Amino acid sequence: SQQGEEDPQALSIQEGENATMNCSYKTSINNLQWYRQNSGRGLVHLILIRSNEREKHSGRLRVTLDTSKKSSSLLITASRAADTASYFCATVSGSARQLTFGSGTQLTVLP
Amino acid sequence: KAGVTQTPRYLIKTRGQQVTLSCSPISGHRSVSWYQQTPGQGLQFLFEYFSETQRNKGNFPGRFSGRQFSNSRSEMNVSTLELGDSALYLCASSTGPGANDSPLHFGNGTRLTVT
Repeated sequence: SQQGEEDPQALSIQEGENATMNCSYKTSINNLQWYRQNSGRGLVHLILIRSNEREKHSGRLRVTLDTSKKSSSLLITASRAADTASYFCATVSGSARQLTFGSGTQLTVLP
Repeated sequence: KAGVTQTPRYLIKTRGQQVTLSCSPISGHRSVSWYQQTPGQGLQFLFEYFSETQRNKGNFPGRFSGRQFSNSRSEMNVSTLELGDSALYLCASSTGPGANDSPLHFGNGTRLTVT
């Protein structure tokens, strides 16, 4: 079963614009991770944020986590055509060791 | 360092047959997890192996099984294939146990089509 939902399901923007994707989850978590998937390929890890952290940055990526609202957001600044992909949030909860994925956001960056 | 390698890349099987998928983790990674990805159900956890022992199992029927060898390479097997088993099967490895403290590194997957 999926932990939560991502919003929007699809997002289309122009190159250079910022893209924001949101993720909501249902249970308390140990950490939340964001992954990118290019069509038909494997997932690439982007950022891991722990439950006691509120914000993390990596290059053009910024992730926030609000445990009181059980939500996270991924911001990609100055997007490029190469950022076109599906983006998934995934959580790890309790004693579980596996990732529980959201439904994903399909991002299209138009040149 | 080489990434996670999955073979074969594509497979076409007939209902009722069985299939074995292979995964070689990143060198030094002892944890291997398997996930199934379908358009309808999304990404779902199958099982995780750490030091040759299954540590965790998802909600899949017993037709889905796996194992891990002493060199950390892993195989998963699906017996008596059904049409609904058509999916992208993804293997991932990590340094620690599962995804609790470290990210997962995914292979490019095996695309299984059951006809």
